[in-house]
Amino acid sequence: DTEVTQTPKHLVMGMTNKKSLKCEQHMGHRAMYWYKQKAKKPPELMFVYSYEKLSINESVPSRFSPECPNSSLLNLHLHALQPEDSALYLCASSQEGEIYGYTFGSGTRLTVV
Amino acid sequence: QKEVEQNSGPLSVPEGAIASLNCTYSDRGSQSFFWYRQYSGKSPELIMSIYSNGDKEDGRFTAQLNKASQYVSLLIRDSQPSDSATYLCAGPNNFNKFYFGSGTKLNVKP
Repeated sequence: DTEVTQTPKHLVMGMTNKKSLKCEQHMGHRAMYWYKQKAKKPPELMFVYSYEKLSINESVPSRFSPECPNSSLLNLHLHALQPEDSALYLCASSQEGEIYGYTFGSGTRLTVV
Repeated sequence: QKEVEQNSGPLSVPEGAIASLNCTYSDRGSQSFFWYRQYSGKSPELIMSIYSNGDKEDGRFTAQLNKASQYVSLLIRDSQPSDSATYLCAGPNNFNKFYFGSGTKLNVKP
């Protein structure tokens, strides 16, 4: 299995809603990531988990809350988002070590109304 | 200064030509770089990685790394319309964190 699976593919939520994005990989990768991508911009790093522990938080607002229940799963909990948070949210995973690139999931297209 | 700089393009080449995409970086200690292809509305796909000086070839793609001059390039030979996409340079991979360039949009004209 060489895939990173993200669900849902599309999500529309109101500013008072609570929702979660899910990501799963079965490649044995021990590093997992959340990225945010706005239209015509490169992906921006949000969070990095290494061996199920949060290792990097790129000063992301607290309305985004990551969780890594086990080595295969990564969640992103969303609460009280703003319309400007509408974007493509990408999950990725990789082996540990600088020579390894990331494998991205297909993303969740989030719209905040 | 950004870690990775990339010309945003767009770059237009005729079908069958060589497309040359370039990226410069600021960290002299950087070791590994990656090229991703992203079709409109899709997620990035890793197409090449390079961490040694020189060239690395994979089919129609050649990645080049010049550590002395701090640039990375991607050559696409015999460009096809299906190569039309945005190409993202990324690196270095330090402690599970790397930076993406702004991306170069490639348009291959039939």
